[in-house]
Amino acid sequence: SAVISQKPSRDICQRGTSLTIQCQVDSQVTMMFWYRQQPGQSLTLIATANQGSEATYESGFVIDKFPISRPNLTFSTLTVSNMSPEDSSIYLCSVEGDRYEQYFGPGTRLTVT
Amino acid sequence: DAKTTQPTSMDCAEGRAANLPCNHSTISGNEYVYWYRQIHSQGPQYIIHGLKNNETNEMASLIITEDRKSSTLILPHATLRDTAVYYCIVRVPSGNTPLVFGKGTRLSVIA
Repeated sequence: SAVISQKPSRDICQRGTSLTIQCQVDSQVTMMFWYRQQPGQSLTLIATANQGSEATYESGFVIDKFPISRPNLTFSTLTVSNMSPEDSSIYLCSVEGDRYEQYFGPGTRLTVT
Repeated sequence: DAKTTQPTSMDCAEGRAANLPCNHSTISGNEYVYWYRQIHSQGPQYIIHGLKNNETNEMASLIITEDRKSSTLILPHATLRDTAVYYCIVRVPSGNTPLVFGKGTRLSVIA
């Protein structure tokens, strides 16, 4: 299994601003994933990030709103841009194990006021 | 959309076995059954997965019916710390196949 950390663990932000969330893994991985969990809801995949290539976004998510960086095999960032209260969610990153099971970070709890 | 159906909630007495069902009647031949759980305010945790044979690890057992249209996750001796939302997901084990989370089953373990 992989050990994943995220920063910040939580934040309260004003609408119109941006927040960058960091995800660090304790081993080198090819693919990293970013999910959103809105209040009371299940997880929804935002995008898949491969090192050295552009992230692949799921329907309903766009790069201008959720730009992703993947500078190396152990690190990724997700930015939530021009935030509105509807962006208040838990944001989680995950990585895939060698049997395609996924391991998740603890999440970043974002509140937009 | 999720391709599985799970009960919304279940209760289980502490120390007893918790049996969580999942229906996946449209599962295809190359799709596996994965189980995850999410304890309140934490990231999801991988539990177990299987194709057609029963599987067991240190956390749980997975029983898949012969026709593969349903499965049961068994926590043999539930504790209060097993209280969580349990997600059953079917997917092809590939990096290009995303996890699609349904609503899951909220398991409450009661003392």
